[in-house]
Amino acid sequence: QTHLQESGPGLVKPSETLSLTCTVSGYSINSNYFWGWIRQSPGEGLEWIGSISHSGTTYYNPSFKSRLTMSLDTSKNHFSLSLSSVTAADTAVYYCARGASAPAAAGFWGQGTLVTVSS
Amino acid sequence: EIVLTQSPGTLSLSPGERATLSCRASQSVGSNYLAWFQQKPGQAPRLLIYAAFNRDSGIPDRFSGSGSGTDFTLTISSLEPEDFAVYYCQQYGTTPGTFGQGTKVEIK
Repeated sequence: QTHLQESGPGLVKPSETLSLTCTVSGYSINSNYFWGWIRQSPGEGLEWIGSISHSGTTYYNPSFKSRLTMSLDTSKNHFSLSLSSVTAADTAVYYCARGASAPAAAGFWGQGTLVTVSS
Repeated sequence: EIVLTQSPGTLSLSPGERATLSCRASQSVGSNYLAWFQQKPGQAPRLLIYAAFNRDSGIPDRFSGSGSGTDFTLTISSLEPEDFAVYYCQQYGTTPGTFGQGTKVEIK
């Protein structure tokens, strides 16, 4: 049974970098699939952030411009998100997800983690 | 990017009734890669339908998806108490993936 679990700081200061990790159990992330991040805030609804393929190709939402970096760590079977220069608008529940068939697919989700940007 | 517009915003129905939810795209969805999700308070979205009409594993057959191109529909044939929730459509045929704003199905 595959399980995805987000982890990282729940509070980040404005202008700093938000870093989250999604640990995958029950499946090897370098075998197949796209591994992505989606966030949900009251003001913006659900927003696709980006994804990384099992071979390491990244697909980013242009809305995040150059602030975003995603990576895979196959030795730890986890993938990560780094979002720099955060503002209060980046406050949201962040979900990691697994998708098949296309980079923006998200068929199976983690439980989500709330990140608040505040000083 | 493709904008998805869901209607209605809220659907007030009784258990046993049929629910019809609409999702309209601003341009054609590539490969009809349109998914429907159900979300309950405090939970992550759960995939119901992928590629417009395919039910995900374990999803009851009262849920069905239809449509192609720019117009898609999720139908719940007979509402069960556990079906009252918010439903989102998502297109994943083109990056960036985009979501609709959601339809809340509430108990009348």
